[in-house]
Amino acid sequence: DAGVIQSPRHEVTEMGQEVTLRCKPISGHNSLFWYRQTMMRGLELLIYFNNNVPIDDSGMPEDRFSAKMPNASFSTLKIQPSEPRDSAVYFCASSPGQGANYGYTFGSGTRLTVV
Amino acid sequence: KNEVEQSPQNLTAQEGEFITINCSYSVGISALHWLQQHPGGGIVSLFMLSSGKKKHGRLIATINIQEKHSSLHITASHPRDSAVYICGGTGNQFYFGTGTSLTVIP
Repeated sequence: DAGVIQSPRHEVTEMGQEVTLRCKPISGHNSLFWYRQTMMRGLELLIYFNNNVPIDDSGMPEDRFSAKMPNASFSTLKIQPSEPRDSAVYFCASSPGQGANYGYTFGSGTRLTVV
Repeated sequence: KNEVEQSPQNLTAQEGEFITINCSYSVGISALHWLQQHPGGGIVSLFMLSSGKKKHGRLIATINIQEKHSSLHITASHPRDSAVYICGGTGNQFYFGTGTSLTVIP
């Protein structure tokens, strides 16, 4: 199993541009999570899906952020328009059950820099 | 106030020492997670537990549900254990501590 695959690994973009982060969860995992990690706030849950349906998006900072999971093998996190304060490492993780009560597998993360 | 508090924030140990990292939480959770983040940035899930104790190699995690407290122990520490260890609780919501940065010196 290739694990959770995220792309790109690094993204540098100018303020105001649209950014799309991609994630392929482990096959058979029912839950998918998007996290953001910054020095100031640590690891924060943005949104999680169970069986492709968004369950909890209370961590999505504002309307500029949106996430989709069109099928069980793919999810995107989009920021439009991007701002410098969005600079962070974004992790995708998947879990075999509902929620995270069956353990996580994390992707390698996408380091986003908005200049 | 943070729902999950870790201590210490930073820890330096000599190779071979026994290490303990503590995690206290103030909210109801279904499961408690210990994550390891190496300097390269990748995150690995070490343990997920809802009661008792789990052991994997030199790592042991315990949880006391009544006291809302968990500990991560590392026996015979090694420089490759140097990493940030993050405690988190999951249930209806998700909470994470700010991490404990561990450096093991040869």
